Amino acid sequence: GENVEQHPSTLSVQEGDSAVIKCTYSDSASNYFPWYKQELGKRPQLIIDIRSNVGEKKDQRIAVTLNKTAKHFSLHITETQPEDSAVYFCAAHQGAGTALIFGKGTTLSVSS
Amino acid sequence: EAGVVQSPRYKIIEKKQPVAFWCNPISGHNTLYWYRQNLGQGPELLIRYENEEAVDDSQLPKDRFSAERLKGVDSTLKIQPAELGDSAVYLCASSLDGRASEQYFGPGTRLTVT
Repeated sequence: GENVEQHPSTLSVQEGDSAVIKCTYSDSASNYFPWYKQELGKRPQLIIDIRSNVGEKKDQRIAVTLNKTAKHFSLHITETQPEDSAVYFCAAHQGAGTALIFGKGTTLSVSS
Repeated sequence: EAGVVQSPRYKIIEKKQPVAFWCNPISGHNTLYWYRQNLGQGPELLIRYENEEAVDDSQLPKDRFSAERLKGVDSTLKIQPAELGDSAVYLCASSLDGRASEQYFGPGTRLTVT
């Protein structure tokens, strides 16, 4: 089955810096890769996703890149703000008939 | 549009007691998921429904866990009897269908078994 590895487990940056979180997946059949943000005690919220036919996707300060050959994808947050502090989860989906497989999460701390 | 609704938000029970969680998915979403999230971990799938049919329950501990989704809308997840190791957040999510489509999570039920 699919396995998703996520690094780093914790990340501390200064406000205004960039943050990068990386994930690798094992099954080349995976074709959908969402990223979720979870604040303490809150629900996971979908912030951006990418499908296997696209190499990069941007939404304001966040972007996701996908390298299908290497089977890894990354979340990039630019101009970080204190409100970006949260746990971020990557996930991989193999399509119809399967479920999302999540990474173990990255705790991002943005200090002002 | 209302999001995924779950209740209760918190539940504290003694071990060996039963407990039930309820989920109302986003209107029109045919696929419903129950996940368990242990502290410091990502969500792990327990069961997935396509309409009223459980299509993936391979990770559901069937000796003590059960679930149903009558009429293909609301769903209930039950644990009987609860064990200390069941303490976790139980998340419900829904999506339009079971393909690679966006999943939206509810706020979860935080279960503490003492």
